[in-house]
Amino acid sequence: GENVEQHPSTLSVQEGDSAVIKCTYSDSASNYFPWYKQELGKRPQLIIDIRSNVGEKKDQRIAVTLNKTAKHFSLHITETQPEDSAVYFCAASRKIYNQGGKLIFGQGTELSVKP
Amino acid sequence: EAQVTQNPRYLITVTGKKLTVTCSQNMNHEYMSWYRQDPGLGLRQIYYSMNVEVTDKGDVPEGYKVSRKEKRNFPLILESPSPNQTSLYFCASSINAGVPTDTQYFGPGTRLTVL
Repeated sequence: GENVEQHPSTLSVQEGDSAVIKCTYSDSASNYFPWYKQELGKRPQLIIDIRSNVGEKKDQRIAVTLNKTAKHFSLHITETQPEDSAVYFCAASRKIYNQGGKLIFGQGTELSVKP
Repeated sequence: EAQVTQNPRYLITVTGKKLTVTCSQNMNHEYMSWYRQDPGLGLRQIYYSMNVEVTDKGDVPEGYKVSRKEKRNFPLILESPSPNQTSLYFCASSINAGVPTDTQYFGPGTRLTVL
């Protein structure tokens, strides 16, 4: 079945360094790739997403890249800050018009930014 | 305020005692979904609904039921809970089931313990 693999499961960086989280997906028809951030005890919240017709997207300190050929996508956080500490989830979805779709999540990456 | 609400937020119950977790959204969203979150497994979809009276299984539907009689409500029913259903449950909604990119808005979560 459809699967999303996420690595690493934990990541510790110094404040100001960059962090990269990588995901691979199995369903070549996937066309939507969101990233969610979940702070401790809170709900997941969308931080950035990318569609399959785009190779890269940036929003201030975060960026996502997509390689459709290799079926992988990555989250890049630059100039990390302590408030970036959270669990990050990647996801992949294939939606067909009027047929809905499933969002398949990766296992999550616990990012710790040390001051 | 636009939001997804869940009740109860915390529940401790015993094996076999039927329970319902309610989910409600006030954003007129078509698509609603239930996930369970377990350590190391990320978020796994239980059931989803594209609109009123339209529901479908996600990846882990066994032991759960849902209904969508009204657009705003999507209750999750555990007819005979078992300890392996101890988990953190999230309801989510998104505006439209028929387009390829939809931000999913998550509820606050329900922590269920089945003894």
